[in-house]
Amino acid sequence: NAGVTQTPKFQVLKTGQSMTLQCAQDMNHEYMSWYRQDPGMGLRLIHYSVGAGITDQGEVPNGYNVSRSTTEDFPLRLLSAAPSQTSVYFCASTDRSSGGAIQYFGAGTRLSVL
Amino acid sequence: AQKVTQAQTEISVVEKEDVTLDCVYETRDTTYYLFWYKQPPSGELVFLIRRNSFDEQNEISGRYSWNFQKSTSSFNFTITASQVVDSAVYFCALPLPKLIFGAGTRLAVHP
Repeated sequence: NAGVTQTPKFQVLKTGQSMTLQCAQDMNHEYMSWYRQDPGMGLRLIHYSVGAGITDQGEVPNGYNVSRSTTEDFPLRLLSAAPSQTSVYFCASTDRSSGGAIQYFGAGTRLSVL
Repeated sequence: AQKVTQAQTEISVVEKEDVTLDCVYETRDTTYYLFWYKQPPSGELVFLIRRNSFDEQNEISGRYSWNFQKSTSSFNFTITASQVVDSAVYFCALPLPKLIFGAGTRLAVHP
């Protein structure tokens, strides 16, 4: 019953460092996405994927890269971290089987960039 | 453009009061879904309800009820007899084609 698993839960980076936020789902969903949550701004879509090998940009893609080599995994890469990327990051996996797709979210990764 | 507006930033009530969270949306689509999610202090996002634009009947689930009015583009959420455990941030969302969230309403229920 894992659902969507995100690692790590917390991370502190220095400006300019790189890192990868991991996301894995075991529900065999084709659609996965990454959001960032900042105070007073709700959740904003960074990147999404409609299936293995296919990714696209969301509202705020700058500074982030993604890839989707398998259905299960959708990592988010920060190539050169900036303080503006301090946020809480959520990965989501979407069940589109019945229309009106329900998104299932991971527990989140709290990232601080100093 | 598709947009979700939650005008209430924060609401504070005393336990057992009823409270309504407002959600107004914009979409050019004739068929769409709307969602509500809850984010308790622990931080996870919990799916509460999905509503199809074809169905304007109010929905009730225990102390929760939802009022969907297409004529006013609103999808409001009411908690009856609120409890401390209802304290959370609540998000309304429109999933076409990418899930667009409102900014959220923080509900604080005090004993």
